Amino acid sequence: DIQMTQSPSTLSASVGDRVTITCRASQSVSSWLAWYQLKPGKAPKLLIYKASSLESGVPSRFSGSGSGTEFTLTISSLQPDDFATYYCQQYNSYSRTFGQGTKVEIK
Amino acid sequence: EVQLVESGGGLVQPGGSLRLSCAASEFTVSGYYMSWVRQAPGKGLEWVSIIYSGGSTYYADSVKGRFTISRDNSKNTVFLQMNSLRVEDTAVYFCARQPMGIQPFDMWGLGTMVTVSS
Repeated sequence: DIQMTQSPSTLSASVGDRVTITCRASQSVSSWLAWYQLKPGKAPKLLIYKASSLESGVPSRFSGSGSGTEFTLTISSLQPDDFATYYCQQYNSYSRTFGQGTKVEIK
Repeated sequence: EVQLVESGGGLVQPGGSLRLSCAASEFTVSGYYMSWVRQAPGKGLEWVSIIYSGGSTYYADSVKGRFTISRDNSKNTVFLQMNSLRVEDTAVYFCARQPMGIQPFDMWGLGTMVTVSS
């Protein structure tokens, strides 16, 4: 199975900060990489697909980049609604593995 | 409203069984790939199983031989039959929709909690 490694596991930031989360795959997943946002009690939300494509309705402050084995999710100016946990996921194979998550906390 | 609603979770003893349901509204499950994903308390997301539109199924190694995914097109519902449950199967179980092809999960349900404990 393809292993996904996210860093950092926790990130403390303030409203207005630029935030970057990294995701590394154990082997190439081409651009078949998605980013999701999770909040307690809510359904997970797709933010980015195909490494850099913004899902409809997602604010433009979210962006993704990378290909192969190295990917990043960037929030250009953190807003109060963005404090949540973020997961990367490869969907290059049927076993759609996730990173271990990055919790974005209020500093 | 387009949505997925999971049900069937609860408390079960180790070695027991549960059947989870995922009911879809405003779209047809047979036209999508449908997965189950779980999140154990304090842990990350783990993909569990998928059923393709053609009926093929795949499982994570951690549940292979114990869990079975299925679909009832007449009820527009996806199921996860969980047998020989273990304490480590305790988690919130989410149902997720994937458009056909190489696509991410574009819709998720709220999840249903499964607790395996004596």
